[in-house]
Amino acid sequence: AQSVTQLGSHVSVSEGALVLLRCNYSSSVPPYLFWYVQYPNQGLQLLLKYTSAATLVKGINGFEAEFKKSETSFHLTKPSAHMSDAAEYFCAVSASNNNDMRFGAGTRLTVKP
Amino acid sequence: DADVTQTPRNRITKTGKRIMLECSQTKGHDRMYWYRQDPGLGLRLIYYSFDVKDINKGEISDGYSVSRQAQAKFSLSLESAIPNQTALYFCATGQTGTSGTQYFGPGTRLLVL
Repeated sequence: AQSVTQLGSHVSVSEGALVLLRCNYSSSVPPYLFWYVQYPNQGLQLLLKYTSAATLVKGINGFEAEFKKSETSFHLTKPSAHMSDAAEYFCAVSASNNNDMRFGAGTRLTVKP
Repeated sequence: DADVTQTPRNRITKTGKRIMLECSQTKGHDRMYWYRQDPGLGLRLIYYSFDVKDINKGEISDGYSVSRQAQAKFSLSLESAIPNQTALYFCATGQTGTSGTQYFGPGTRLLVL
């Protein structure tokens, strides 16, 4: 079975600073990896996904993530935080041969003015 | 109109009551999922369905049942609600062959007293 671990349940950055949200995965088969964002009182929205093509994946709203097999990581970054980025972010993994998606516990991002 | 809708959006019920949460989608996807979200635990899979005749248990199916009435409809029932089923419930859809991406509804907030 696959699983993900998100390091840090809360991350706080200043507006304009680098955003780095960490995700490590475990999977016995080639994984598909996802980052979702959840704004207050809303469902989850797909930010980006890795499906075994390019290891650097670009998503919406200026976010990107890099798949590093040697480190079993899929960290999410954004060069310059904006106030509107404040939300909860979930990393998720599914095996390439099924649709059983497992989510991390989430990281709440706060952006300070 | 939203592609994935959930009704009701909020529900308060009492211990022992039977309740049903409904999900409808207009995306034409064959796969549908039910998750619950609890603070600090991320999303956990309750049940999933790969087509109308296929229902599968997820990580935490005890105390829940589902019905796939049509390709577009997937309902979740709590036969006898208990307080620890208080949570935010999400329905999601996905399409076979699309690398596992799932699309989420807005959620149903359930409080069991």
